[in-house]
Amino acid sequence: QKEVEQNSGPLSVPEGAIASLNCTYSDRGSQSFFWYRQYSGKSPELIMFIYSNGDKEDGRFTAQLNKASQYVSLLIRDSQPSDSATYLCAVNLNPGGGADGLTFGKGTHLIIQP
Amino acid sequence: GAVVSQHPSRVICKSGTSVKIECRSLDFQATTMFWYRQFPKKSLMLMATSNEGSKATYEQGVEKDKFLINHASLTLSTLTVTSAHPEDSSFYICSARDYRGPEQYFGPGTRLTVT
Repeated sequence: QKEVEQNSGPLSVPEGAIASLNCTYSDRGSQSFFWYRQYSGKSPELIMFIYSNGDKEDGRFTAQLNKASQYVSLLIRDSQPSDSATYLCAVNLNPGGGADGLTFGKGTHLIIQP
Repeated sequence: GAVVSQHPSRVICKSGTSVKIECRSLDFQATTMFWYRQFPKKSLMLMATSNEGSKATYEQGVEKDKFLINHASLTLSTLTVTSAHPEDSSFYICSARDYRGPEQYFGPGTRLTVT
């Protein structure tokens, strides 16, 4: 049984601060990891993905992966009110992310306070 | 790039009728398309995976005769909810990926309400 766990929140962060979102997964064979952002009533938007242990940066976003601890996180620097959304962590068994669909966590509701 | 469309965006139907949802990749060829379902305040759940020209692979617990999937071309997949019931009311979202990378791009979703 593949499981992805996230704290549902809400996580409240002041504008301009760093928001830290965490995710753990149960299947040690998971190979690729994705972060999506979902606004209420909308479909998910891809933020970034990561395969390898360590950090991956893209603009204000940094994904961190620790396969030994089965832990992946997303940092959002200089948080803006427009970042307020639900952040979904998703994992995939296939290193290419292809053959299997994604297993999603329930998401963390992030609120950026102006 | 990587735009995925879905039609319709919202549909209300009566119990017992069938509803077809289309998913299109607009600017890339989708070798694989996925169908997900999301109930209120719940996570997305994968229903099935479809590859162009072959039968869809359904997740455990998803009835293949109720949720008919056709992936007739590299840019179009359809999901037909047959004999819909109120418990099928949900947000149905497709995603697509091409051969160049692992990213899945999601369509805007279809909100189905069965009365």
